[in-house]
Amino acid sequence: AQKITQTQPGMFVQEKEAVTLDCTYDTSDPSYGLFWYKQPSSGEMIFLIYQGSYDQQNATEGRYSLNFQKARKSANLVISASQLGDSAMYFCAMEGSNYQLIWGAGTKLIIKP
Amino acid sequence: DAGITQSPRHKVTETGTPVTLRCHQTENHRYMYWYRQDPGHGLRLIHYSYGVKDTDKGEVSDGYSVSRSKTEDFLLTLESATSSQTSVYFCAISVPGTSGNTDTQYFGPGTRLTVL
Repeated sequence: AQKITQTQPGMFVQEKEAVTLDCTYDTSDPSYGLFWYKQPSSGEMIFLIYQGSYDQQNATEGRYSLNFQKARKSANLVISASQLGDSAMYFCAMEGSNYQLIWGAGTKLIIKP
Repeated sequence: DAGITQSPRHKVTETGTPVTLRCHQTENHRYMYWYRQDPGHGLRLIHYSYGVKDTDKGEVSDGYSVSRSKTEDFLLTLESATSSQTSVYFCAISVPGTSGNTDTQYFGPGTRLTVL
């Protein structure tokens, strides 16, 4: 069975520092995809970044990048130069069958000024 | 903006009453999903649809039913609401070709349901 684990329930980071949010996954499928979403206090779910298992390079989207280590089954989200607006819940998710997503429990990130 | 709306946005109801939540998309994507979000959990899939009148169960489908009579609308019904169904409900659509070779899910704003 597929599973996503986010081991950090909460994190405090100083503004302008880089942040790494951990995500490990378990799957027996040779082909899979991993997603990160942001949920600010307003409640909406915002897609951030995607990494495919066969992608040769780590995904990047602006200040977001994925540190994808296939052998360790980890897909950590890195946020460079954190901003106060980055304070939110962050969820890692894996693509299942029929394009379903299997979700981790999330990490609450708080950026301190 | 993925063009997804949910109604109502907030609802308070009593145990034993039926409740229907509506999800509407403007882009005619094939796949639609209903999730619930509870503290300490990520999103959990309730039901999903892969076309008009084509639906299937997710991880936590007990006590819920769905219908999709038009491509753009996906309804979630709680036949007899219970306090354990107090939650935030999210609808999502799957948009092809937005993440490499796979689809990306985009979410509606959510519906906060309280069952007293």
